[in-house]
Amino acid sequence: QVQLVQSGAEVKKPGASVKVSCKASGYTFTSYGISWVRQAPGQGLEWMGWISAYNGNTNYAQKLQGRVTMTTDTSTSTAYMELRSLRSDDTAVYYCARDREGATDSFDLWGRGTLVTVSS
Amino acid sequence: SYVLTQPPSVSVAPGQTARITCGGNNIGSKSVHWYQQKPGQAPVLVVYDDSDRPSGIPERFSGSNSGNTATLTISRVEAGDEADYYCQVWDSSSDPVVFGGGTKLTVL
Repeated sequence: QVQLVQSGAEVKKPGASVKVSCKASGYTFTSYGISWVRQAPGQGLEWMGWISAYNGNTNYAQKLQGRVTMTTDTSTSTAYMELRSLRSDDTAVYYCARDREGATDSFDLWGRGTLVTVSS
Repeated sequence: SYVLTQPPSVSVAPGQTARITCGGNNIGSKSVHWYQQKPGQAPVLVVYDDSDRPSGIPERFSGSNSGNTATLTISRVEAGDEADYYCQVWDSSSDPVVFGGGTKLTVL
């Protein structure tokens, strides 16, 4: 079964870091890129960045540069997103999403999301 | 950076046709993708490259794109189509993936 399985919900204090995982199964992990998209409560979708599962190349959203790191572990077909110096406005559901087959400009497979709550 | 503008809400009666627009500067020159997101669920791709449908998406979902407006059309709307819909493009700017603000489709 082709799927992306994300790690569970997290509660963090301001200033802390969070690392969310996204484990792929049912397809060749290194053949697709993975993007991370977040959604604050009641808000729209915000792209955070992209990583190539083939060679680890990354492209981060400008506003998150310096605070976000995306990595992959090809031995376990898992992508990771770490966000540092958390603030209250980082509270959101974080999704991983796979590049659409044959393209890199849209997403045909999404994880179910990981809720990250930042609160003192 | 590139901006996509969607109406916050669209309402339609069951069996009628819903049209959700996505405005952007010369958006007709870009490929537009549409996602459906039901409450508490992840987005699902329903139209890609302006008008193509992924496997498993009903033919009732179609798309068009020209000039400064792209449109997602849902024919014979059903109660199960009630959801938020987001348009998305890839832009050659510093942040290449751009989403519209989303449109809440209400089935009356």
